[in-house]
Amino acid sequence: DAKTTQPPSMDCAEGRAANLPCNHSTISGNEYVYWYRQIHSQGPQYIIHGLKNNETNEMASLIITEDRKSSTLILPHATLRDTAVYYCIVYTGTASKLTFGTGTRLQVTL
Amino acid sequence: GAVVSQHPSRVICKSGTSVKIECRSLDFQATTMFWYRQFPKKSLMLMATSNEGSKATYEQGVEKDKFLINHASLTLSTLTVTSAHPEDSSFYICSARGTSGGFYEQYFGPGTRLTVT
Repeated sequence: DAKTTQPPSMDCAEGRAANLPCNHSTISGNEYVYWYRQIHSQGPQYIIHGLKNNETNEMASLIITEDRKSSTLILPHATLRDTAVYYCIVYTGTASKLTFGTGTRLQVTL
Repeated sequence: GAVVSQHPSRVICKSGTSVKIECRSLDFQATTMFWYRQFPKKSLMLMATSNEGSKATYEQGVEKDKFLINHASLTLSTLTVTSAHPEDSSFYICSARGTSGGFYEQYFGPGTRLTVT
């Protein structure tokens, strides 16, 4: 599975949009971009995934560049409860394994 | 999303004893289950992958005789830490994967914090 690169930490003011970038320049054509987050001392929570089109659900939006080498997770109105480590993962979604990198620690502040 | 439960959420055991952790998929059938461990301030590390009715596949460096995995049904997998030592103290997280509309989705349990004294 392709490797991803994320900034180690980011801050965001409550109520503002949080934009979390992810680079995956070696992504293959059959690999999806997945985002999970882990709130302290809990199991990871699925957020969203996409292949090449932008995706939106009740939690977030996922913007994938046309060449698919990078993506951005957008939390439109961050709250204190969004403070967590956010993991960007690329994988085929079939027989392969979800492998976690170091993620981005997002701190939402008042 | 689908729900995965783990039991117990916390366990303290003495060195040399064995501990069993259960992982259940509550509202879907999990053809594959995964076990991860996580040390403080570190990322999740995959320990093993198990398919229902088959032997687990362990990641490199994980002792299969120490971490026994049983995936007896499509909704239950267990991890037994045998002869536990203080260095086995960690956060253990299971994950279950099923299919929805032909696509694989993977969900995680809340984790089990093991402390070996």
